[in-house]
Amino acid sequence: NAGVTQTPKFQVLKTGQSMTLQCAQDMNHNSMYWYRQDPGMGLRLIYYSASEGTTDKGEVPNGYNVSRLNKREFSLRLESAAPSQTSVYFCASRTTSGGVRELFFGEGSRLTVL
Amino acid sequence: EDKVVQSPLSLVVHEGDTVTLNCSYEVTNFRSLLWYKQEKKAPTFLFMLTSSGIEKKSGRLSSILDKKELFSILNITATQTGDSAVYLCAEYNNNDMRFGAGTRLTVKP
Repeated sequence: NAGVTQTPKFQVLKTGQSMTLQCAQDMNHNSMYWYRQDPGMGLRLIYYSASEGTTDKGEVPNGYNVSRLNKREFSLRLESAAPSQTSVYFCASRTTSGGVRELFFGEGSRLTVL
Repeated sequence: EDKVVQSPLSLVVHEGDTVTLNCSYEVTNFRSLLWYKQEKKAPTFLFMLTSSGIEKKSGRLSSILDKKELFSILNITATQTGDSAVYLCAEYNNNDMRFGAGTRLTVKP
């Protein structure tokens, strides 16, 4: 009963390095999301994918790219990491059938950029 | 841009107290308001509210939505130390889900 799985859980990068956060869900959900969480700022939406094959920008997309690889997987890429991207990143998914449904979250990925 | 504002940002109470957490929103194409509890890791779902005036309850927690005044409240009665967490509200419009900054509740024994 995995739900939403994110990897890696922890990562330390140097400024300018690149990396990809992976997310996979096994609940057959259509929509997937990437959020970042900083102290005192709640969860801010980076990108989302309403369905397979589509992606859209959220509140804070600058410095990130995403790929909806298939229905299960939604990855987040930092092409040139900056200290301002130090944060905890959460992937989430939800079904779109039967009206509005809640988000299910992964356990988070803590990223530190030095 | 749509905004979700929560108050207070932090709250310290003693066990047995009752607390009210507030969430106001300014959205277009509003569909639902959701509440989550976040302890150490990922947020966990509490309630989803779509219609005004209908109270949702789960044990000591309850929540209600006012779509005319654009706010929701989350009540916790007889608080326990296990209620200590960050409580997040989020609004869902036609596409995405936007969160407020959260209220950090600390319940002291």
